[in-house]
Amino acid sequence: EPEVTQTPSHQVTQMGQEVILRCVPISNHLYFYWYRQILGQKVEFLVSFYNNEISEKSEIFDDQFSVERPDGSNFTLKIRSTKLEDSAMYFCASSASAGSQGTQYFGPGTRLLVL
Amino acid sequence: GQNIDQPTEMTATEGAIVQINCTYQTSGFNGLFWYQQHAGEAPTFLSYNVLDGLEEKGRFSSFLSRSKGYSYLLLKELQMKDSASYLCAFRSTGGGNKLTFGTGTQLKVEL
Repeated sequence: EPEVTQTPSHQVTQMGQEVILRCVPISNHLYFYWYRQILGQKVEFLVSFYNNEISEKSEIFDDQFSVERPDGSNFTLKIRSTKLEDSAMYFCASSASAGSQGTQYFGPGTRLLVL
Repeated sequence: GQNIDQPTEMTATEGAIVQINCTYQTSGFNGLFWYQQHAGEAPTFLSYNVLDGLEEKGRFSSFLSRSKGYSYLLLKELQMKDSASYLCAFRSTGGGNKLTFGTGTQLKVEL
């Protein structure tokens, strides 16, 4: 069964450093998403991406965040200058469509720790 | 505004049936999803409702009432492996397909 994959599984970085989190969505999916989950809290929407454009972003997704689909398979989330409060599990998700078949399937996550 | 509520914790006995409720408020509703999340892992899709009524998938069923802003997840023949957090999420209208999640209901299945 096709799965969303993410690398790395864990990332430790110093405050102020740039990090790039990588995702390979399910191959025939067209819609891509990033969510985050701070330890012990709820899953929060960051951004959705379709047709090489951001479709929607949350208030969390400020100028320090960017997304890119650099090739036909990868989808990346970049945090330019990490803050302590960026420490969280970051989940990538993908869906085949936006309609009734638009179930979002989540990757295993990247646990980011900012020191 | 947008809001979604579900109980924080529930306990049930192996082999029993448990119902996890979820209430939501949103101005633009486009579907209600249930996910299962084991600690430290990704949410795993369980069930989806966009129209009123009951959707059944094996041991799991989900119900939706759009007029009441209410859904429930029903788990039958509980197994120890069902101990997990169950996340209710609604999808908003608009182009982004944004999911808004509740805090999750931590279900503990006991012998």
